[in-house]
Amino acid sequence: QKEVEQNSGPLSVPEGAIASLNCTYSDRGSQSFFWYRQYSGKSPELIMFIYSNGDKEDGRFTAQLNKASQYVSLLIRDSQPSDSATYLCAVKKGSTLGRLYFGRGTQLTVWP
Amino acid sequence: DAMVIQNPRYQVTQFGKPVTLSCSQTLNHNVMYWYQQKSSQAPKLLFHYYDKDFNNEADTPDNFQSRRPNTSFCFLDIRSPGLGDAAMYLCATSRVSFEYQETQYFGPGTRLLVL
Repeated sequence: QKEVEQNSGPLSVPEGAIASLNCTYSDRGSQSFFWYRQYSGKSPELIMFIYSNGDKEDGRFTAQLNKASQYVSLLIRDSQPSDSATYLCAVKKGSTLGRLYFGRGTQLTVWP
Repeated sequence: DAMVIQNPRYQVTQFGKPVTLSCSQTLNHNVMYWYQQKSSQAPKLLFHYYDKDFNNEADTPDNFQSRRPNTSFCFLDIRSPGLGDAAMYLCATSRVSFEYQETQYFGPGTRLLVL
């Protein structure tokens, strides 16, 4: 079982729609959860992080965490073509110090 | 602006010819990481330095070495690059303690091409 799993997609949504990206993780002791956006040929950039169960909103982005289900998601409201990228989920396991585990990423395409 | 800088941005080398990639940071973070990322794959951690302590991933090939001469700089040495080592190499930094794990910030990456 992989540490962090994401649906690789591609996920395609029309402009203005809500894009929903999902991530599951295997270590129940995981503490911190991160979403990165990566444009083709570029390095990952942080979108959001979440530590506690529930929702965390930042502009058009909402991260949702459910530790009981070992599930974290990212919602993008009012999707724009500029949101088209690969979204990487990363998790800090409870037993590790300084190390993140990355999923393979979900490729999102927002079409006009 | 505080940031993570990688040089060069593009590196072309010949099969078997040693190459060194560099990373510097002005964030004063105590942890520095080197990742390898191939197309459509997750970043693969090669090693990281927690302060001066070197942590090697079990599956990192011996062909890859790293140096961290001071807090700000970290180098990735590929002793004998093979065609399979062509990838994007990402440096990241983070501030970490036993109490918290802060976000990792990535540099722009170095794309390595092996001929």
